[in-house]
Amino acid sequence: AQSVTQLDSHVSVSEGTPVLLRCNYSSSYSPSLFWYVQHPNKGLQLLLKYTSAATLVKGINGFEAEFKKSETSFHLTKPSAHMSDAAEYFCVVSDRFGNEKLTFGTGTRLTIIP
Amino acid sequence: GAVVSQHPSWVICKSGTSVKIECRSLDFQATTMFWYRQFPKQSLMLMATSNEGSKATYEQGVEKDKFLINHASLTLSTLTVTSAHPEDSSFYICRGAESLVGETQYFGPGTRLLVL
Repeated sequence: AQSVTQLDSHVSVSEGTPVLLRCNYSSSYSPSLFWYVQHPNKGLQLLLKYTSAATLVKGINGFEAEFKKSETSFHLTKPSAHMSDAAEYFCVVSDRFGNEKLTFGTGTRLTIIP
Repeated sequence: GAVVSQHPSWVICKSGTSVKIECRSLDFQATTMFWYRQFPKQSLMLMATSNEGSKATYEQGVEKDKFLINHASLTLSTLTVTSAHPEDSSFYICRGAESLVGETQYFGPGTRLLVL
């Protein structure tokens, strides 16, 4: 069984300040982990993915995430928020290579304050 | 990167009618298609998994007779919402996978369904 918990349903940061979106996971196997972003009324866009290679994963738009097995965490960060980052972010876990059943977190809505 | 398209992007229908949503993989062969539903301000919930040429596997609580899934070819899967009701109004998203080994996962842009 697998599950993912996004600890914050809503995060607000000022433009230009760091972003931290938290995610903890549970998996019976070595997990694959992903972060997706969804802008209003749009589909999902893959930000980054971890599949047992380097634990610090760099994604698009300046985002990165670090896989910490000891903490079962995969938090998403960005050094400096931009207004265009305002969106819904989903942490996703898969037990295998990403093509098996994906389990989505409940999402974190990121608001950027001008 | 690979592209998955969905048609229509949005649809409004009357209660009791059926609606068909198409999901196409444009530059790869989708051995497996996953269908998700997303209610407003909620996460994505997997509805069913279909393999080309086989019957779909539905998640618990999803009515297979109401949500008909066809995956007749490696580039096309369809989801038909039969006798739609207002509570079926949702955002439906498909995901295509080229194989069970690898890292392909391509989401469609979604179809917003509003049942009046």
